Amino acid sequence: QVQLRESGPGLVRPSETLSLTCTVSGYSIGSGYYWGWIRQPPGKGLEWIASIFHSGITSYNPSLKSRVTISLDTSKNEFSLRLTSVTAADTAFYYCARAKAFDVWGQGTLVTVSS
Amino acid sequence: DIQMTQSPSTLSASVGDRVTITCRASQSISSWLAWYQQKPGKAPNLLIYKASNLESGVPSRFSGSGSGTEFTLTISSLQPDDFATYYCQQYSGDSITFGQGTRLDIK
Repeated sequence: QVQLRESGPGLVRPSETLSLTCTVSGYSIGSGYYWGWIRQPPGKGLEWIASIFHSGITSYNPSLKSRVTISLDTSKNEFSLRLTSVTAADTAFYYCARAKAFDVWGQGTLVTVSS
Repeated sequence: DIQMTQSPSTLSASVGDRVTITCRASQSISSWLAWYQQKPGKAPNLLIYKASNLESGVPSRFSGSGSGTEFTLTISSLQPDDFATYYCQQYSGDSITFGQGTRLDIK
């Protein structure tokens, strides 16, 4: 059974960098699929952030592209998200998920941007 | 960017009702459309992929149809567990966008 789990700081200061990791179990991420990050501000809708193919090819939400990096570490079977220059508008639940039609999701982690 | 517009934003219905949610794309996405159900405090759950394919384990009362720019999610007979928020999502090309969501409430 494939499982994803997000990890990272729950609180980030404004103007700093948000870094999250998604650890995958039950499947080798280098074997296939896209792997992505999605976020959801409390009480609001879903926003796709970025995806990475198992080969390393990346795609980004144009509205976030200048601040976002997604990367893959097949040796640790995990992929990561970096979001720079955060503001309060980046406060959200952050989810990692598999594929383009996201068939497996992590449980989500709340990241709050506040001083 | 491809914009996704869902309607209605809120829907009130009763157990046993047949309900339909519509999703429109700002340009053709062929059949690259998924539907999700989300309950409070939980991650979304994939219901339908490629417009009309039922994800494994999803009850058959859920169905999807459409292609190009107009899509529908139908629940044939509402069950108490179905009251939730539903999102459509396009995954055509390199970019992904979600609809704004439809909250399904108990009437």
